Amino acid sequence: GQQVMQIPQYQHVQEGEDFTTYCNSSTTLSNIQWYKQRPGGHPVFLIQLVKSGEVKKQKRLTFQFGEAKKNSSLHITATQTTDVGTYFCAGLVWRGDMRFGAGTRLTVKP
Amino acid sequence: DGGITQSPKYLFRKEGQNVTLSCEQNLNHDAMYWYRQDPGQGLRLIYYSQIVNDFQKGDIAEGYSVSREKKESFPLTVTSAQKNPTAFYLCAGGGVPQHFGDGTRLSIL
Repeated sequence: GQQVMQIPQYQHVQEGEDFTTYCNSSTTLSNIQWYKQRPGGHPVFLIQLVKSGEVKKQKRLTFQFGEAKKNSSLHITATQTTDVGTYFCAGLVWRGDMRFGAGTRLTVKP
Repeated sequence: DGGITQSPKYLFRKEGQNVTLSCEQNLNHDAMYWYRQDPGQGLRLIYYSQIVNDFQKGDIAEGYSVSREKKESFPLTVTSAQKNPTAFYLCAGGGVPQHFGDGTRLSIL
């Protein structure tokens, strides 16, 4: 069945270092969404990518959607302690069927 | 305030017991979702509903049931057939973005 794979599972960085998480789907996605979940909280929407090859930026965060619409990445430049949390990608397979990746848990050492 | 409201926050289930998790929304979303999250893992889709009186199975629907009798409500029943129900359950509404409730943590007594 449809799977959305996400790597790495964990990432520990020193504050100021960069961070990247990657998301891959076994099939073409209608769109890809990214969410952030703080410890003890619920996922919060960050961004949606729809177009092939799309790149979007939010301050220090850069999101990319692959040309084949099967992969995506989130890159954080110069991490801060406020970036701590688990980052999830989610792909819309079709008609409301939403599939989440396993998430990448980011920890940042001050 | 508008949002997705889940209750209770913590729930305990005895052997052989069915329990129902509540999810209510006042955001006027047509679509609603139930996810299960196990420690250190991602969200797995249990059921979703795109319209009243209609719902679809997700990846892990076995041992769960839902109803969607009205737009505002999408309760999830964890039946005794679900042998490993201990998890964090998240309800969400909307397509893009999805708005999540604060979750219900279910444990076995």
